[in-house]
Amino acid sequence: EAGVAQSPRYKIIEKRQSVAFWCNPISGHATLYWYQQILGQGPKLLIQFQNNGVVDDSQLPKDRFSAERLKGVDSTLKIQPAKLEDSAVYLCASSLAVSDPVPYEQYFGPGTRLTVT
Amino acid sequence: AQTVTQSQPEMSVQEAETVTLSCTYDTSESDYYLFWYKQPPSRQMILVIRQEAYKQQNATENRFSVNFQKAAKSFSLKISDSQLGDAAMYFCAYRSPYGNTDKLIFGTGTRLQVFP
Repeated sequence: EAGVAQSPRYKIIEKRQSVAFWCNPISGHATLYWYQQILGQGPKLLIQFQNNGVVDDSQLPKDRFSAERLKGVDSTLKIQPAKLEDSAVYLCASSLAVSDPVPYEQYFGPGTRLTVT
Repeated sequence: AQTVTQSQPEMSVQEAETVTLSCTYDTSESDYYLFWYKQPPSRQMILVIRQEAYKQQNATENRFSVNFQKAAKSFSLKISDSQLGDAAMYFCAYRSPYGNTDKLIFGTGTRLQVFP
């Protein structure tokens, strides 16, 4: 079974530029998550999708971050314009479904390391 | 709001020995789920073990076991017979069963080094 795929693995941009990350979840997984992991910290959820609908985006900085999952499969996370503090690893994860109520396991991708200079 | 604290930034262990990683959390909820994740240099988070708060029995997965103390809000991970491949960052995480989100709340992690 193929895992969660993410690209690119690394990205370096200058502040005020824009950047996009792509994620393809495990086949058949309805729920998709984007986490931000700043160096020295644990991951923090930015947004959760159930199919192509948003379940939780309470911690997404909506003035500069956007995410979509148009066909309920792969997803794109965009930052525009980037700030120095956006330097982090962006992790995508997927799970079979939304917990009901026992949580399904979240499977993580390898992440994209973003450096903003 | 729930918080997760890992007070050991780094730990080390000799191969074949046992090591315990600490985690405490704060919550007013009576039911919840706790997890330990491993993050090797490849950055891919891997679930190690999970514990349901309503279960009194401590979870065990092969060489990995937890000591869950609900009253003390403590959730430590014990790794027995440590192997070189266990070297990684280990994150403790909390998940509430309430609401419509599956958000995991992570601690800051413990870096485990394993020496031959």
